[in-house]
Amino acid sequence: GIQVEQSPPDLILQEGANSTLRCNFSDSVNNLQWFHQNPWGQLINLFYIPSGTKQNGRLSATTVATERYSLLYISSSQTTDSGVYFCAVGSYSGAGSYQLTFGKGTKLSVIP
Amino acid sequence: KAGVTQTPRYLIKTRGQQVTLSCSPISGHRSVSWYQQTPGQGLQFLFEYFSETQRNKGNFPGRFSGRQFSNSRSEMNVSTLELGDSALYLCASSSEGTTEAFFGQGTRLTVV
Repeated sequence: GIQVEQSPPDLILQEGANSTLRCNFSDSVNNLQWFHQNPWGQLINLFYIPSGTKQNGRLSATTVATERYSLLYISSSQTTDSGVYFCAVGSYSGAGSYQLTFGKGTKLSVIP
Repeated sequence: KAGVTQTPRYLIKTRGQQVTLSCSPISGHRSVSWYQQTPGQGLQFLFEYFSETQRNKGNFPGRFSGRQFSNSRSEMNVSTLELGDSALYLCASSSEGTTEAFFGQGTRLTVV
């Protein structure tokens, strides 16, 4: 199956700093999503980005599907950005079914 | 539009018991997927339902089952609970024609 690797596994930032999270995947995929898991466990959608670049406020993401990686940029980090960030790649299997394969996440801690 | 709703939020069960978790997708979404999250294995795909049919199942024992109703609501059942089944169970829904998944708040199951 598809392998998804995220780096770094842990990241500690001073408030106001910028960061780049990376997601590498082993095969061509139909989709890629970035999520932020809040303290209560819910996965919050950040980006749906099978290719190209998108921006949403202080966050932006770029996926280069041909080179099998995606990057999530966080600028001017705030303490509320703390948490675990997951990259998930989507692929179709038989009968039209679709599933996400997740990386192990990057745990971000933003300190004041 | 209401998001994906999972009930209950928390459950404590005893080994050997069975449990049923419920998921109501976003209105109009017909695809419902389930994922298990544990500290050791991360986020893993359980199964996916579309129009009351299970289209795909992950690598989990037969004790894990599910179903989908005509209104797209889904339930998953775990029989003969084991300590290792303690996990956060997340449900996601997607609309036809797109692969973007939206997740519920999750059900945190503790088996004692």
